[in-house]
This record gives sequence, structure tokens and C-alpha cells, in this order.
Amino acid sequence: GAGVSQSPSNKVTEKGKDVELRCDPISGHTALYWYRQRLGQGLEFLIYFQGNSAPDKSGLPSDRFSAERTGGSVSTLTIQRTQQEDSAVYLCASSLVRTGGNYEQYFGPGTRLTVT
Amino acid sequence: GDSVTQMEGPVTLSEEAFLTINCTYTATGYPSLFWYVQYPGEGLQLLLKATKADDKGSNKGFEATYRKETTSFHLEKGSVQVSDSAVYFCALSVVVSTGFQKLVFGTGTRLLVSP
Repeated sequence: GAGVSQSPSNKVTEKGKDVELRCDPISGHTALYWYRQRLGQGLEFLIYFQGNSAPDKSGLPSDRFSAERTGGSVSTLTIQRTQQEDSAVYLCASSLVRTGGNYEQYFGPGTRLTVT
Repeated sequence: GDSVTQMEGPVTLSEEAFLTINCTYTATGYPSLFWYVQYPGEGLQLLLKATKADDKGSNKGFEATYRKETTSFHLEKGSVQVSDSAVYFCALSVVVSTGFQKLVFGTGTRLLVSP
């Protein structure tokens, strides 16, 4: 079946512009996660969704970052007034949810964002 | 806070050599531990996992044992192939709410296998 998809795969933007990154999770996966991978660093957790709700936004790097999810499916991560330090690969993952278990997170291919 | 430390790369090996990539972690509680792999041009894929102490995860000839006493989860393979060339990430899970876990990753180790 279809995996997690993300678009665009690459985005080059000028400093100060807004960007929107999209994630399409696996159908039926209630949980959706966003991570960021800056060059030479590990993946950094940003935010997760339970259905359409994001209970904890404290992982977002600044108030220029926001995310939403609609219909329990597609999610968008928006970065306003981009800065060069926002350059990174943004990864989305989704998983099933059941209490008491550890469920594999399936990752998308990522969006490589370059801020010039 | 919770963290993962893994050996820096690149690790360069000849085909059929033995592979070890070290991973240690710091965590409160008892996290699950994972190895993810990222092949060139592809997304992250789960390679193996272990959910409790002394568990051994294995897949595709790779193994890792959850060692609580040394807080380690080292990845091993007896005989690497060129096709194993990839970046390997060690990770642990942190429960953020019932049924939901975030992953805390190491910085990744690039493995290069030559024929």
C-alpha cells in the first residue's frame, strides 16, 4: 500500500518568505509526527498529532513554526519569515495508536528546505 | 533529558567484514530502542527494535541487544555487503501521552562498504 508521502521533495526559498510543507500519512494512522534533521545532527522532534489535535507544541523551534492537521489525515507544517537556520530536511512519520504498545513510525522521504 | 549517543562515521569496511556501530542512551524509565536505516535517496526505515532489557532485535542479518546495565544497544552484523551502505540511526522512544511516543535519535553513522 501507499506509504507516507511528503511534498515538495525540495524547496529553495529566500530568507523572509513563508513556506508550507505537506505530509500525507498512511491511511488509518491516527498519530502523525514531524521531525527536523539539520546537517550533521540527529533528527529533532517537533510536534505530534492525535487525530487533528496537537497536545504539545513545545518542540516547535520558535513561534514562526506552526502545524495543523485536517480530517485526521493531511498535515501541513508552516514556517513564516524563514531564516537560514531553518534549512534542514523535514520528516513526517505516522503510526497506529493502541495503548500499551510500541508501534512503528513510518517515515516519509522528507522535504529538503534550503533558505538562501 | 533523554538522549542517544552513537559513534561518529563514516565507518568504512570491505565486503564481508564484521560491523559494530556503538549506541548508548540516557533515559528515565524503560524506553524501547530502535535502529533505523536510511539508504541513499530513500526515507528512514525501521531496521530492528527491542522493547525491554535483554531483548535482541534482529533483521536482515543485523542484531542489537538491549543492555540495561551498560545502557547500550550496539548494532552488529557478521558480514556486511555493499548494499548495506547507508546511514544508521539509533533511537529511543519517549512516551508523550497514552499510545503516543516520540523518537529521540542519535546523529547517525554513515556506513560505506566497498567491494
